[in-house]
Amino acid sequence: NAGVTQTPKFQVLKTGQSMTLQCAQDMNHEYMSWYRQDPGMGLRLIHYSVGAGITDQGEVPNGYNVSRSTTEDFPLRLLSAAPSQTSVYFCASNGASSYEQYFGPGTRLTVT
Amino acid sequence: AQSVTQLDSHVSVSEGTPVLLRCNYSSSYSPSLFWYVQHPNKGLQLLLKYTSAATLVKGINGFEAEFKKSETSFHLTKPSAHMSDAAEYFCVVRRNNAGNMLTFGGGTRLMVKP
Repeated sequence: NAGVTQTPKFQVLKTGQSMTLQCAQDMNHEYMSWYRQDPGMGLRLIHYSVGAGITDQGEVPNGYNVSRSTTEDFPLRLLSAAPSQTSVYFCASNGASSYEQYFGPGTRLTVT
Repeated sequence: AQSVTQLDSHVSVSEGTPVLLRCNYSSSYSPSLFWYVQHPNKGLQLLLKYTSAATLVKGINGFEAEFKKSETSFHLTKPSAHMSDAAEYFCVVRRNNAGNMLTFGGGTRLMVKP
């Protein structure tokens, strides 16, 4: 099992560019989430999904879109990148009956 | 609403001495609580979890935490620090009946001196 995988590991964008951060899990987990990590603020929930076709907003959803067409994949889209979106992004998954979330290795995004 | 406060942003100990990382939580519901560890440039790893069973929870690498409802605390301890314990630690609260919502504390960076 690969667990939770994220691509790319690093990305530099210019303000206004768009991109998609990929996340995939092979554990057949129903729940998937995206977090961003900023110094001194821990991780904050951006969007989450409780199953294919179902998504909802977390604490900091503005500027991000998600979709969940399959159980395995949960991409995060930045439509028009801003410097405030410079951060490390983590994807996570867990089963509906499990309290433990499994995290991917992260994507470090810089917006200039 | 739920929230988590980690009382120290940095903690420094000498190798072989005890570790105490403090966490207070606020939750309207009976919470599930976790401690995660993040080593430099790595992802997050679950250390231990409390889910309304025993109030003293043992985790990996000799860490444990005690849930104290009266004090709304979930402090992380280890009797003897090792150099490999140097990392950032996050206290996390999850609402039992609120889907996938995890709320993280701001983190405590643990430094271990030789």
